[in-house]
This record gives sequence, structure tokens and C-alpha cells, in this order.
Amino acid sequence: EAQVTQNPRYLITVTGKKLTVTCSQNMNHEYMSWYRQDPGLGLRQIYYSMNVEVTDKGDVPEGYKVSRKEKRNFPLILESPSPNQTSLYFCASGHPSYIAGGTGELFFGEGSRLTVL
Amino acid sequence: QKEVEQNSGPLSVPEGAIASLNCTYSDRGSQSFFWYRQYSGKSPELIMFIYSNGDKEDGRFTAQLNKASQYVSLLIRDSQPSDSATYLCAGEDTGRRALTFGSGTRLQVQP
Repeated sequence: EAQVTQNPRYLITVTGKKLTVTCSQNMNHEYMSWYRQDPGLGLRQIYYSMNVEVTDKGDVPEGYKVSRKEKRNFPLILESPSPNQTSLYFCASGHPSYIAGGTGELFFGEGSRLTVL
Repeated sequence: QKEVEQNSGPLSVPEGAIASLNCTYSDRGSQSFFWYRQYSGKSPELIMFIYSNGDKEDGRFTAQLNKASQYVSLLIRDSQPSDSATYLCAGEDTGRRALTFGSGTRLQVQP
């Protein structure tokens, strides 16, 4: 089954305690991205990756890190979480429409709800 | 900041009616537009995409794109209670090669 898998789905942590949210896709997509979703603000892009070892900042990258060492995996790292990073996080992968054969559709993971106390 | 704007709603329509959802965008370089549906507590899923001016129909859904006026719309015919969800409009940001999402419109279909 084609899917994007995120873990953990739910996490409560404390300020300053490093955490990693993993993301894995089995569709051989080159493009992967992380979004956070907050009430009234919609989905905002944190980081994206066009391919292995190619990452770039989105709209709200402060406080986050990513890496793309393998095509299928794109973990999101919060080195020192703060309460303003409490949010619902989505990982997504897909084929951008400007790539031959790409439709632009993104496939989303089920989301990771993070609470930072 | 490239923006995609949507009315947050809720938009309430009776069952069987046509629901009309609208979206405007600021990036004239955006070429591709997408409508995602998101049920409460779930992840977004693609309903339709549109690249060219005009209408595109898929079952009960019709997407409309007007690049001169910079707006995109989604019509849902014969609305069903199962269509109740938040609808996210997204434009492909050609500069950053990413989808920029609006904040979504919540649709409520009343039985």
C-alpha cells in the first residue's frame, strides 16, 4: 500500500528536550516536505527536499532541522522545542507538476500532534 | 510573501444544493492549483487539480480557474453530509517549488 508514515502520532514533551519526528514514504518520490498546521493559519511549510541531500527552508523554518540521507526518509528534528512549536505536523511527498509526468499532488502522512510544555 | 486567501466559513448548505468555495492568490507566477479536502483530525487528500483557465469537471466536483482575476473556485453539486469538511486551496509556488496553502474553508452540509 502506497503511504507516508509518520511517528510518533502523538507526543507531549517539555521545553528544551530534543525530539525527532520520523517520516517515511514508499512511493519513490523525490520531493518531500514538512508542514505544520495551526488553527486559522492553515498549512505552513517548514522545510522541503527535492532529492537526497537537497533540502531548503520553507516559510517557517526557525527552530527546526531536517535531513535527507535516503530517498524514502525525511525526519524533522526539534533541537530545543519551545511551547510555540506545539502544533499538528504533516509530512508529505509527491511529484511536483513541473517535473515530467508530475501532477503536483502531495500525499500526506496521518499527522503528528506535538505538545511542548 | 506569496499568499492564498480563503474565507474560513463555515459555509452551510442544505443537502442536495451546490456548494461554492472560492480562493484568491497573489502569485501571478503560480501555474497549478489544487483543492484538498480535510476531515477533522485527518490528513488532507487531493480532490482536484487545475492548470488551465476555464472549468474542469470530475463527477460532482468542478474546479474553475481564472488567471487574469487570480481566483480559483470549487463547485460541489448535489452536496452530501459526507462532504462536510475543510477544503484547502493550494497554489504551486514556482519560485520555491512548493504548494502554498490557504487556511481553508469549512463546509457544513445540513441533512
